[in-house]
Amino acid sequence: NAGVMQNPRHLVRRRGQEARLRCSPMKGHSHVYWYRQLPEEGLKFMVYLQKENIIDESGMPKERFSAEFPKEGPSILRIQQVVRGDSAAYFCASSARGSGSYNEQFFGPGTRLTVL
Amino acid sequence: AQTVTQSQPEMSVQEAETVTLSCTYDTSESNYYLFWYKQPPSRQMILVIRQEAYKQQNATENRFSVNFQKAAKSFSLKISDSQLGDTAMYFCASASVGAGSYQLTFGKGTKLSVIP
Repeated sequence: NAGVMQNPRHLVRRRGQEARLRCSPMKGHSHVYWYRQLPEEGLKFMVYLQKENIIDESGMPKERFSAEFPKEGPSILRIQQVVRGDSAAYFCASSARGSGSYNEQFFGPGTRLTVL
Repeated sequence: AQTVTQSQPEMSVQEAETVTLSCTYDTSESNYYLFWYKQPPSRQMILVIRQEAYKQQNATENRFSVNFQKAAKSFSLKISDSQLGDTAMYFCASASVGAGSYQLTFGKGTKLSVIP
């Protein structure tokens, strides 16, 4: 049973370009969370999605960032017009379900984004 | 809103000895979970142990145990018989349970070095 997959593992972009980060949840999981880890910091929540729905985007910057989790295919975190401050590790986690009780979030290996 | 504080940026311990990592948290929720995650140099987030707030008994997982003091909002991690493979960043985290998302709130981490 494959774990949470993220690709690419490393991504280099120049300022002003777009970054697309992909996350394939564990088999049977329909809930996805995105977190960002700045250097020397803990992970910070960005967005929580279920298939075709954004449930909570309270941690997402209002501009340049967007996320989706389509009916088919991986979840995508998109950063437009990247700036140096976007350089970070971006982690995706998936869980089986999110309401009524807590279900463990399983983390992917992360994508390290470097903005030149 | 939840906050998690780890006051020890770095710690070290001799191999085979015992070490305790501190964590305090603040939450207005009555139903929540607490976690310790390990992040080795590979950056993969690994769940070490979790505690349901409504359970008075402290969780244990092999060499890892917690001291959960609910009134003091304290949640420390004890690692017994430390091994070289325990060298990693350790993050304390919380999640509320109920309506809405189940985002994890992380502390800034404690860097643990196990010395041979």
